[in-house]
Amino acid sequence: EPEVTQTPSHQVTQMGQEVILRCVPISNHLYFYWYRQILGQKVEFLVSFYNNEISEKSEIFDDQFSVERPDGSNFTLKIRSTKLEDSAMYFCASSSRGREGQETQYFGPGTRLLVL
Amino acid sequence: AQSVTQLDSHVSVSEGTPVLLRCNYSSSYSPSLFWYVQHPNKGLQLLLKYTSAATLVKGINGFEAEFKKSETSFHLTKPSAHMSDAAEYFCVVSHPNQGGKLIFGQGTELSVKP
Repeated sequence: EPEVTQTPSHQVTQMGQEVILRCVPISNHLYFYWYRQILGQKVEFLVSFYNNEISEKSEIFDDQFSVERPDGSNFTLKIRSTKLEDSAMYFCASSSRGREGQETQYFGPGTRLLVL
Repeated sequence: AQSVTQLDSHVSVSEGTPVLLRCNYSSSYSPSLFWYVQHPNKGLQLLLKYTSAATLVKGINGFEAEFKKSETSFHLTKPSAHMSDAAEYFCVVSHPNQGGKLIFGQGTELSVKP
């Protein structure tokens, strides 16, 4: 069964450093998402991406964040200058459709980011 | 604004007994509602979803949920718990024309005792 994969599973970085979190969505999916979960808090939507542009983004997704689909298989989340409060589990998801809000999103196992 | 409230942060049941995980939502639209499960070190897996068809939705592993508009609820049930059901469960809502944004509840951790 196809799966969404994410690398690395864990990342430790120093405050102010740039990090890139990588995701390989399911191959025939067209919509891609990032979510995060700070320890002890809800899973929060960050951004959705379709046809090489952002469809929707949350207030969290400020200028420090960017997303990219650099090739036909990867989907990345970049944090330019990490802050302590960026420490969280980051989930990537993909779906075959997205506009209707009914489509199943398939999630990866997450990347746990720790900013020191 | 849309929101989801899971009424219990932790539920503990004995193996073979029924499971009830409660979820209430707030929405100005006709929502789509989902239950996802997360086992340790695994991704979020869809259990079931409601998208304005039948109000009683059957999912994987014997779970089902009933959409009750009058009560704005979407509780998850299973007649008989299995040890492998121990996990974190998330109630989720989404709406059309919002770029696929999912709004999560805070999660309910289900423990199953032998």
